Parts: sequence; structure tokens; C-alpha cells
Amino acid sequence: AQSVAQPEDQVNVAEGNPLTVKCTYSVSGNPYLFWYVQYPNRGLQFLLKYITGDNLVKGSYGFEAEFNKSQTSFHLKKPSALVSDSALYFCAVIHGSGNTGKLIFGQGTTLQVKP
Amino acid sequence: KAGVTQTPRYLIKTRGQQVTLSCSPISGHRSVSWYQQTPGQGLQFLFEYFSETQRNKGNFPGRFSGRQFSNSRSEMNVSTLELGDSALYLCASSLASWAGGMDEQFFGPGTRLTVL
Repeated sequence: AQSVAQPEDQVNVAEGNPLTVKCTYSVSGNPYLFWYVQYPNRGLQFLLKYITGDNLVKGSYGFEAEFNKSQTSFHLKKPSALVSDSALYFCAVIHGSGNTGKLIFGQGTTLQVKP
Repeated sequence: KAGVTQTPRYLIKTRGQQVTLSCSPISGHRSVSWYQQTPGQGLQFLFEYFSETQRNKGNFPGRFSGRQFSNSRSEMNVSTLELGDSALYLCASSLASWAGGMDEQFFGPGTRLTVL
């Protein structure tokens, strides 16, 4: 069965430093990968997606992610973290065209950016 | 463009009762998906509706059901509530105009259901 793993429950980074939130996936065939962010008491906000094409995907708020097929990873990155980036981040996958609308989520990673 | 709206935002029920949650998608979006979010299980897919038809279903018992109306608004119903049904229920809409489309989903703020 397809799945997504986020190996870190929490990532701590100082403001101004680069950040990485890790995600690995396990699907057969082509994965369609997404990153979402959730602020307290809010729904999820879309950051970026990889469907096909360039392995480096740029998204909202200065975030980007790199798709690595050989390592089955889709890590989220940002060159310079802001305190306001502190939130809960989810990696998700849709597997197969027949599963449109069915996101499979990782368990989430809390990002803490300290001033 | 207005975002996805969910009503009510908060709900308190007792075991054995039933509950109906409502979701209004972004105008023009015909796909509506529902998710349950709990601290223990994380985000889990419940079902997806497209043009009033259930297109995908997650692994939840039959007590969880949904429907979609001709204006794309969707409702989710949970019957015979259990304590474990306490969760944040999120609705998401997307264009998803064809089965192979991978349009991103836009989420509402959620309905916080507490079962006592």
C-alpha cells in the first residue's frame, strides 16, 4: 500500500538559517506529491506539488522541494527560515489517477523557528 | 474568491447521537473530499465526492457517510457517535475536473467535534 513517512516529529531551526523538513514515500508507479502547512486552529494550506517534470519545485512563501526518485524522497526546504514559518507541515501523496481527491498524509512535522 | 467554508466550527455531542457537518467548496470546484484529523491517527481520508457521486472511499465504518448536492456543497454524517469519533473534520475542494487530474486541494478551517 502507498504510504508517506516524515521521520522527524519536530525540527528546530534558528531564524535566518536554512530549513529542511524530510519526507519519504512508498508507492508503486508514479507518485504525485504535495506539501501542506497547518497553523494552529486552522485548516491546511497548500504549499507546492510535484506531478512531473523538473525535480525542483518552487512553491508559496519561499518554500521549495526536491523530488528524488532514487531515494524516494520529497524534502521541503527554505533558504532562510522565518519565525512565522513555525507550524505543522504535512507531506502527502496521491497514487494513481483513479485516486484523485484521496490524499495519503504523513504524520506531520512540527517546525519551530526560534528568533 | 471565497475559500472553503465549513459549518459548524465546533460541535459537542454525546455517545449514540448522530451529527451532520456541512462543507461549501470554492466556487467552480466540483470535487469535495473529507478527512478526519486526530492526534493519534493523524490525517485520514474519509471519502471524496465529484458531481454528486462518491468517487473514492477510505477505511471507515459505515457509520460515516456523505453526500454531495448539485451545487457541489457536501454534507458528512456520522451516526451512533463513539468517543473515538472526537476529531477535527476537514473538508477540501479541488477542480479535479477529470480522474487523472492532480489539482491541489484547498482546505476549510474544519469542524471540531467533541463526543462526550
